[in-house]
Amino acid sequence: EAGVAQSPRYKIIEKRQSVAFWCNPISGHATLYWYQQILGQGPKLLIQFQNNGVVDDSQLPKDRFSAERLKGVDSTLKIQPAKLEDSAVYLCASRPLDIAKNIQYFGAGTRLSVL
Amino acid sequence: AQSVTQLDSQVPVFEEAPVELRCNYSSSVSVYLFWYVQYPNQGLQLLLKYLSGSTLVKGINGFEAEFNKSQTSFHLRKPSVHISDTAEYFCAVTKTGGTSYGKLTFGQGTILTVHP
Repeated sequence: EAGVAQSPRYKIIEKRQSVAFWCNPISGHATLYWYQQILGQGPKLLIQFQNNGVVDDSQLPKDRFSAERLKGVDSTLKIQPAKLEDSAVYLCASRPLDIAKNIQYFGAGTRLSVL
Repeated sequence: AQSVTQLDSQVPVFEEAPVELRCNYSSSVSVYLFWYVQYPNQGLQLLLKYLSGSTLVKGINGFEAEFNKSQTSFHLRKPSVHISDTAEYFCAVTKTGGTSYGKLTFGQGTILTVHP
């Protein structure tokens, strides 16, 4: 089965610019996560979707970050405007709804550099 | 809230030597525990998980971990490492139920470097 797809793999922008990342989860996975991984740290959850609804966005900086999963399949994460401290790898993960299969599958990530 | 502490940021070891990567967690509720590995420029791959049952869990690539509830630890071990095990390893926890079920809280990571 195909894995979690993310694009682009790398992005370089200047501060105050906008950027968007795309994620296509594994087919049939109802739950989708976006994580931010700053260099030298573990991933931190930004937002969790179940189908097209938001379950947890408590750690999403809503003044500049937004995310959507309109049809309950693929998702986009946007930053507008970007700050230097947004430089990080943005990881997308998906999980099937069956709680017995409590495993998250991660994409390769998008590495963002804000100059 | 849950928290995870990985006690070593870097672990250098020689090939074929045993290794232990340490992980302690804190939580007021029951948790599931995971170890993930991240190779350079790649996403995270699940090594093993503890959901219930035997406290000794075996995973892929010869790794195993032991859940110790009294010490709130979930240390990762391998009896003989290979050069290809060089990577960053993350310990993570999630609540067993309730809101935000499945949300992973990660430790800071341990970089394992295997020298020839």
